[in-house]
Formats: sequence, C-alpha cells, structure tokens
Amino acid sequence: EVQVVESGGGLVQPGGSLRLSCAASGFAFSAYWMHWVRQAPGKGLEWVSRIHPDGRMTEYADSVKGRSTISRDNAKKTLYLQLNNLRAEDTAVYYCARDFDYEGARWGQGTLVTVSS
Amino acid sequence: QSALTQPPSASGSLGQSVTISCTGTSSDVGTSKYVSWFQQHPGKAPKVMIYEVSQRPSGVPDRFSGSRSGNTASLTVSGLQAEDEADYYCSSYAGSKYVFGSGTKVTVV
Repeated sequence: EVQVVESGGGLVQPGGSLRLSCAASGFAFSAYWMHWVRQAPGKGLEWVSRIHPDGRMTEYADSVKGRSTISRDNAKKTLYLQLNNLRAEDTAVYYCARDFDYEGARWGQGTLVTVSS
Repeated sequence: QSALTQPPSASGSLGQSVTISCTGTSSDVGTSKYVSWFQQHPGKAPKVMIYEVSQRPSGVPDRFSGSRSGNTASLTVSGLQAEDEADYYCSSYAGSKYVFGSGTKVTVV
C-alpha cells in the first residue's frame, strides 16, 4: 500500500526549531517529487516546499524561505522539513505529499505544529 | 504570492450542478499547465479531483470536470450528491512555487 506518514510535530516556543519527518512506503520514493503543504487551524491550504527526486533542487514559499530546509534520504525513504525561527503564524497541520497535485497523489494525515509560549 | 480568488461558498440541491471559479493571473492560472482542484472533508487530508486543468484521476466520478478561460479556472460538479459537501481548493504552479485558492465551502441543500 502506498503510504506517507508524518511525524515530529508538537508544541514549540516562538523562535524555536523543529524537524518534521515523513516516512514513505509502498512506492519508489526516489522517483518522485515530494512536497510539504500546511493548513493553519480553520484556514486554507498553503504550499510550503518541494524537493526533486534526487534532492538537488528545492523550492520554497516566500513565507518560509530562509527559515526552512527541505531534504530527503532516499535510502531511508524519508522526507524532512527543518523549521527554524518559528512564529505563531507557522502554527498549522503540516502535510507530506507525493506529487500533491497530480494523478496518483498521496497525502499523509498530517502532523500538528503549534508555536506558542 | 497572493492566494488565488475563490468564492467563499457555493450551494446546490441534490442532483443539480454547481460551478466554482478560481481567478489568478497570467503568471499562474492563465498560463500554467498545472492547475488542480482538491476536495477536503472536515478532519481529512485533501484529495485531488482534477489535475492539469481538466484531467480527472482514476476513481474520481465523471460528475467532476475542470476547465479554464483566460485567468480563471472552474470546477463543475454535476448531479450533486450528499457526499460532495466539502471544502474545495484550486492550486496552480506559478514558476518556482505553487499557490492555492482561498477555498470554497460547497453545501448540498
């Protein structure tokens, strides 16, 4: 079964850091673009970042550029998102997705990040 | 990058049709091959309903269709069913980043 499962969310103070992980299974992870998309409580979807299958190309939303790093370990079939200098407006459910907007897209169930003192 | 513009809400009776618009610019919706539509039920992850403007993934009912005219994309749901009540979002690739629409809550009355 094709599956992606996020982990690593939690409560963090403003200015703090967090690393999210996304474990993939059931498909050739190294062949796919992978994305992070977030959704603040009661709000709409916001694309965060994506990474090329080989990990050499990355793109970021303006809202997280310079504060976040997306990476992947194809041997471990795992996607990561390092979030630094967190702000209250980063509070959201963070979804990992394979080809998030395409035929065969697979989204995880999300991990909640709460930024609060 | 500003969010794409969608109406906050739309409604239709069982069996009727509803169309949701998604307005962007010539830098995204108007020229991108990658315009998609998502359905999201409360507490669930989004699901792709339309990709590449008008393509329907396998398993999505043919009641769902997508189109584009100028800088506006549209999602039409024909023959509304109770399970179609959900939030719908459009998205578009905008050259080095993706942008989502503000979301439309569809109510089946």
